[in-house]
Amino acid sequence: GAGVSQSPSNKVTEKGKDVELRCDPISGHTALYWYRQSLGQGLEFLIYFQGNSAPDKSGLPSDRFSAERTGGSVSTLTIQRTQQEDSAVYLCASSSRVSGRADTQYFGPGTRLTVL
Amino acid sequence: GNSVTQMEGPVTLSEEAFLTINCTYTATGYPSLFWYVQYPGEGLQLLLKATKADDKGSNKGFEATYRKETTSFHLEKGSVQVSDSAVYFCALSWDKFYFGSGTKLNVKP
Repeated sequence: GAGVSQSPSNKVTEKGKDVELRCDPISGHTALYWYRQSLGQGLEFLIYFQGNSAPDKSGLPSDRFSAERTGGSVSTLTIQRTQQEDSAVYLCASSSRVSGRADTQYFGPGTRLTVL
Repeated sequence: GNSVTQMEGPVTLSEEAFLTINCTYTATGYPSLFWYVQYPGEGLQLLLKATKADDKGSNKGFEATYRKETTSFHLEKGSVQVSDSAVYFCALSWDKFYFGSGTKLNVKP
């Protein structure tokens, strides 16, 4: 079946502009995660959606970052007034839950954001 | 709280050498444990997983055993290849996913 998809695959923007990144999770997956990965670095957790629960926003680095998940499916990560330090690959992942635990995460290909 | 600690890299080995990448965890419950791999220029993909104590996950010649007594899930491979060069991430799932910082493996011919 279809995997996690993300769009756009690449985004170049100017400092101060707003950007929206989209994630389409695997159908039926109740959990959706956003991560950021800077060049040569590890995964930085940003936000986590689980079903109809309030999202876990504990990883968002500033109030310029926000995310929505509509209808329990598609998610949009919005970065307002982008800064050069926002340049990174933004990864989305989705998973189901098994026996009360998060099951295997499946990652999308990522969106490479470059802020000039 | 929940967290994952894995050995710092980079790890550099010659082809056919034995590989161990250490991973230990702290968890408030009974998590599942995972290893993910990221090949150069590619996305993250599941390498193997184990869902309960003493389970062994295996894939592509890699193995890891869920050790509750030592809270560990070390990744091993008996004979690495150049194509195994990648970044390896250990992770646990409980209420949500928690990833380690990643270990870069370089295999020289």
